[in-house]
Amino acid sequence: GENVEQHPSTLSVQEGDSAVIKCTYSDSASNYFPWYKQELGKRPQLIIDIRSNVGEKKDQRIAVTLNKTAKHFSLHITETQPEDSAVYFCGQGDSSYKLIFGSGTRLLVRP
Amino acid sequence: SAVISQKPSRDICQRGTSLTIQCQVDSQVTMMFWYRQQPGQSLTLIATANQGSEATYESGFVIDKFPISRPNLTFSTLTVSNMSPEDSSIYLCSGRYNEQFFGPGTRLTVL
Repeated sequence: GENVEQHPSTLSVQEGDSAVIKCTYSDSASNYFPWYKQELGKRPQLIIDIRSNVGEKKDQRIAVTLNKTAKHFSLHITETQPEDSAVYFCGQGDSSYKLIFGSGTRLLVRP
Repeated sequence: SAVISQKPSRDICQRGTSLTIQCQVDSQVTMMFWYRQQPGQSLTLIATANQGSEATYESGFVIDKFPISRPNLTFSTLTVSNMSPEDSSIYLCSGRYNEQFFGPGTRLTVL
């Protein structure tokens, strides 16, 4: 069935360091993997996504990698800044277009 | 990107009553969804709102408790029926064209 596991649940890094969040999915039919950032009291915002025909995608300081064989994908944030502090959710989608989300990672970037 | 609005933004309701949440998208989207987010938790999909037909509910959610309408491509409503304190949560509407966007959420407190 549809299930996506996300790790770690919390992550604290020093400003300027890199942060990596990993998700594992079980449904082989999954073909779309977005990442959302949610600041306190705000709605989730899409920050990057990747489709199953691509192994890696990068947008400035953020990148997502996908390993279809192992069924896992990761979010990489380089040169972290205090404004990167938020909760990040990975998502998993298939041809039904609905998204199932991971449990979330609370990222704290220490100045 | 689409802009999604929800009404009301928050409400406090008495046990046993019902609340209808409205979701408006500023452009046509192919799919609309309703999610629930408990404080500090992830996003849980309630149902897919289908235009002109009955919504498709996820496991654990039923139409009698969460009736959903979607009369056109840009508008949907979610009703939380016969509320109990366990229904206290944030309810988010989302729409998808190429990417999925979220509304600001409705914070519901049931006393």
